[in-house]
Amino acid sequence: KNQVEQSPQSLIILEGKNCTLQCNYTVSPFSNLRWYKQDTGRGPVSLTIMTFSENTKSNGRYTATLDADTKQSSLHITASQLSDSASYICVVSPNYGGSQGNLIFGKGTKLSVKP
Amino acid sequence: GEEVAQTPKHLVRGEGQKAKLYCAPIKGHSYVFWYQQVLKNEFKFLISFQNENVFDETGMPKERFSAKCLPNSPCSLEIQATKLEDSAVYFCASSDLAGRTDTQYFGPGTRLTVL
Repeated sequence: KNQVEQSPQSLIILEGKNCTLQCNYTVSPFSNLRWYKQDTGRGPVSLTIMTFSENTKSNGRYTATLDADTKQSSLHITASQLSDSASYICVVSPNYGGSQGNLIFGKGTKLSVKP
Repeated sequence: GEEVAQTPKHLVRGEGQKAKLYCAPIKGHSYVFWYQQVLKNEFKFLISFQNENVFDETGMPKERFSAKCLPNSPCSLEIQATKLEDSAVYFCASSDLAGRTDTQYFGPGTRLTVL
């Protein structure tokens, strides 16, 4: 069964600190992996998209890594800010012959950044 | 427009009533996706469209759910005879292409509450 598991479920850190969120998936065949940020009451916003051939991708203070062999990904947030408080969702796209197909979502990690 | 628009923001229905949700994709985007988010981060793919044609409907509970994307009109998702378990936030997303790394842009969602 295609699944995406994220850890931790929730995380509290102090402003300015770094943190790393984890994502493990069993989706096969695999096309790409995305990290989304979802603020409370809003739709998800894409942070990074990586294909199986990419190991790392950055977007400002966000850096995602991907190990397609072990089927693991991480999202590292550097120098956290209060506005980083949100849910971070790992999303995997199965390989359906070149199209996006439908996306498989993890349950997310709820990050709270405290002053 | 430059954002995906969804209406209404909130919708309350009695069990057994019909519910209809609307989505206006970003201008120029050919692909529209509908997702159901239950219990905060449990996203479930429902259906996708390429212009007015169904692209992938593997997630649709067909007995009560239907969707359309007609030319020059907002896309719609309709639920006949709503049930308590249909209570969720329904997100629409659009994309200009359906390639493997194309970003889906999400709307703010419609919160459906079935009483």
